[in-house]
Amino acid sequence: DTAVSQTPKYLVTQMGNDKSIKCEQNLGHDTMYWYKQDSKKFLKIMFSYNNKELIINETVPNRFSPKSPDKAHLNLHINSLELGDSAVYFCASSSPGQGDGELFFGEGSRLTVL
Amino acid sequence: QQQVKQSPQSLIVQKGGISIINCAYENTAFDYFPWYQQFPGKGPALLIAIRPDVSEKKEGRFTISFNKSAKQFSLHIMDSQPGDSATYFCAARKAAGNKLTFGGGTRVLVKP
Repeated sequence: DTAVSQTPKYLVTQMGNDKSIKCEQNLGHDTMYWYKQDSKKFLKIMFSYNNKELIINETVPNRFSPKSPDKAHLNLHINSLELGDSAVYFCASSSPGQGDGELFFGEGSRLTVL
Repeated sequence: QQQVKQSPQSLIVQKGGISIINCAYENTAFDYFPWYQQFPGKGPALLIAIRPDVSEKKEGRFTISFNKSAKQFSLHIMDSQPGDSATYFCAARKAAGNKLTFGGGTRVLVKP
C-alpha cells in the first residue's frame, strides 16, 4: 500500500563507488522528483521528470544521472561517490492536474559515503 | 540565494502551548504555500497549505496566516502536543508542476 517507495533505505559505501537508488510510485502521478536533504535538514530539489521527460535539472553534478523507465519509476544513479554526497535522498511524486499538485514523499534513502 | 527563509531553526514549547513558525519569501510569482511535517526517519508529509488570495486557513489545531504585502506567512500550532514534535518546513511554488522551494526547517519539541 506504500504510495512512494524507495530502495534501499540505507546505503553505506566507499568513496569512488557507483550506486543506485530506486523509486516507484503507485499513485498514478505523472511527475516524479528527487530531493536531497543534507545533515542540516535542508531540502533541495535535484531533478524532476514528467511522463519520463526531464523537466527540472538543478545544477547537480553530472555524476548524478536520473533515469525514468516509465512514469511510475524514477531511479537515481550516482557515479564516483564523494564524501559530500552523504545525505538522505527523497523521491517524491505529484500530479499537477490534481488539486494543488501536492507532493507525496517516500521515506528516504540514507546514503553514507566513507 | 535562499528564496524562502524560515525561523526559528528550533523551538521548544510546553504541552498545551502555541508553536509559531515564520517564513518569508522573495518571489512574488509564488502562488502556493504549503507546510510539511517530517518525523525522524520519515519523508515530509503535507500538513496544510494556503494560496495568496486567503489571509488565513485553519485545519484543526494548525493555522496558516498569510500576509501578501509583507511576503510572509506563518504556521501556528495551537494546544501543542508531544506528538507534534517534528521538523516543520514551509515551502513555496509557482504553478503546479514547478519545483517546490523549501525553507530551512524548524525543529519543534513539545515537552510534556
